[in-house]
Amino acid sequence: DSGVTQTPKHLITATGQRVTLRCSPRSGDLSVYWYQQSLDQGLQFLIQYYNGEERAKGNILERFSAQQFPDLHSELNLSSLELGDSALYFCASSLGGVSEAFFGQGTRLTVV
Amino acid sequence: GQQVMQIPQYQHVQEGEDFTTYCNSSTTLSNIQWYKQRPGGHPVFLIQLVKSGEVKKQKRLTFQFGEAKKNSSLHITATQTTDVGTYFCAGPESVDSNYQLIWGAGTKLIIKP
Repeated sequence: DSGVTQTPKHLITATGQRVTLRCSPRSGDLSVYWYQQSLDQGLQFLIQYYNGEERAKGNILERFSAQQFPDLHSELNLSSLELGDSALYFCASSLGGVSEAFFGQGTRLTVV
Repeated sequence: GQQVMQIPQYQHVQEGEDFTTYCNSSTTLSNIQWYKQRPGGHPVFLIQLVKSGEVKKQKRLTFQFGEAKKNSSLHITATQTTDVGTYFCAGPESVDSNYQLIWGAGTKLIIKP
């Protein structure tokens, strides 16, 4: 158990819909990262938050947004969903940017 | 920006054969981290290398960090079915005093039946 909790584990939704993925980081970790992993692909970095502030953006679509709340949990919002958005979405947390990252179990999103 | 190239993308081996994956960074790294992702699982941290020329071992796994701190390798001796998965390297990049991990594309270890 990495200590990072992601909900839900699975999500099936229709094209055009909006979903919210939730992540609770490990106790004490201030950094939260979101990654997208399509089938048999690598990890695509989406966005990073540190102590409530956005710190870095990767290949995140304008239809996607995220935030980190005062209690350090984070949410990733995906809107106007397309079939190609089907993927595993991982949240990871770390003490800081150079520290090792601990991953949650992921949310498997299927857009139909 | 910094890039981390990882090769090969896939490696098929017979059980008992060795496996190696290589990472090369376009810039000097302060450290390099290795992760393993089992099929259907999430990436799990294996190790972090910090010093130039550092070599660390975990049972049958040997991790090396190059002298110039721009490349690294992971070698598995006598692979077992439990080694199956994708191995990722990652190195921190500094952007405006903030660090984020830059990931290699991963090497998938496949054991031939």
